[in-house]
Formats: sequence, structure tokens, C-alpha cells
Amino acid sequence: DAGVTQSPTHLIKTRGQHVTLRCSPISGHKSVSWYQQVLGQGPQFIFQYYEKEERGRGNFPDRFSARQFPNYSSELNVNALLLGDSALYLCASSPRQGLNTEAFFGQGTRLTVV
Amino acid sequence: AQSVAQPEDQVNVAEGNPLTVKCTYSVSGNPYLFWYVQYPNRGLQFLLKYITGDNLVKGSYGFEAEFNKSQTSFHLKKPSALVSDSALYFCAVRPFNNAGNMLTFGGGTRLMVKP
Repeated sequence: DAGVTQSPTHLIKTRGQHVTLRCSPISGHKSVSWYQQVLGQGPQFIFQYYEKEERGRGNFPDRFSARQFPNYSSELNVNALLLGDSALYLCASSPRQGLNTEAFFGQGTRLTVV
Repeated sequence: AQSVAQPEDQVNVAEGNPLTVKCTYSVSGNPYLFWYVQYPNRGLQFLLKYITGDNLVKGSYGFEAEFNKSQTSFHLKKPSALVSDSALYFCAVRPFNNAGNMLTFGGGTRLMVKP
């Protein structure tokens, strides 16, 4: 079975631009979360979606938004990019929304803002 | 708010020796604890989790972790380290009142296993 897939794997954007990152969860998984991992730090929670509804939001500005589609895939959008948005963006999926479920992570999208 | 501390930025160990990667946490109520490993240019791979039950949890690749409620710790251990274990290790906590996937991660510990 395919794991969590993210696209693109790398991209370079200019300050002020907009970016869309995509994530396909493991087949049958209905929950998708997004994390930002700045170099040298642990991942920081951005959003969680379950059954196409936002179920959690981290401490990120409104420039960050996301959505989940009927097939449970997800997009993360970031507007008005800043240099500080440069990071590895990780998508994670889980089969359900539950306390004892581990999250399965994709390989990430490396975003560089110049 | 919950938090996770990994007090060592790097742990060095010789191949064949036991290893320990330390993790302490702060959370309201019962914690749900996880260890993940990250290889270069890769996402996170799940190693093991503690939800309830035995304080010693066994996971993938021969790793295990010991939950200590009184010390609020969840240290990762392996009896005999391999060079291929060299990677970045993250401890994470999920509060009991969060049924979603929100994980709070520590800053990571780089494990270097030398031949």
C-alpha cells in the first residue's frame, strides 16, 4: 500500500507569493494533519482535518489555510510568503480521530522562500 | 498547555552498546506518548507509543521506551545500537482531551552510532 504522498517535494518561492501544498493520505485514512518543521526544530502543528472539517488549529497566522476534499486528500495554502515560512511541511494521516492512533507522515515538501 | 523536552541535542554511542534518548513531558491529565525517527530528507517514521498499560513499551527495530509517571519521562532505549540507528529522534505527546492528531513534539535528539 502507498504511504502518505506529498507534492511537490521541493519548491522555491519569492516573498509575497502564494503556495499550495498537496497531500494524499493512506487509503482508508480520514484524518489529515499538517506540520511545519523549521530546520533544527521539531515539527509544529498547523491544522488537523477529519471528515472534511477542521478539528484543530495551531498557533499560525491567518495566512495559513487548509482544506480537505471528499476523497480525504488535503491542501495547505500559504499566502504572502515570508522568509520565515521556509521549512519542511509535513502531512500526516490517521485512520480515524482517536487518542490512541498514531500518525503516519509523508516525506514532506521542502519550501524555500527567497 | 503541553510541552516536551529532549534535554540532549546529540547522543553519541558506540555500535553494540546500549543507548538511551531522554524525553520528559508536561501535560494535563493522562498523556499519550510517541517516539518518531527521522532520516535525512525524509518524513517521520513511527517507532512506538504509550497509551496505557505496561510502562515498558516495545516498538519497531528493537527499540523500547519506559514510561515513568512520577518523573514525567518517556525515555527511548535499545539494548544494542546499530550504525543504521543514526538519525534524528523526536518524542511527542498528545493530551488526553485532544482526540485529534495534534502532537506536540520535542526539539529532537540526534543519535550518532559509531562503528
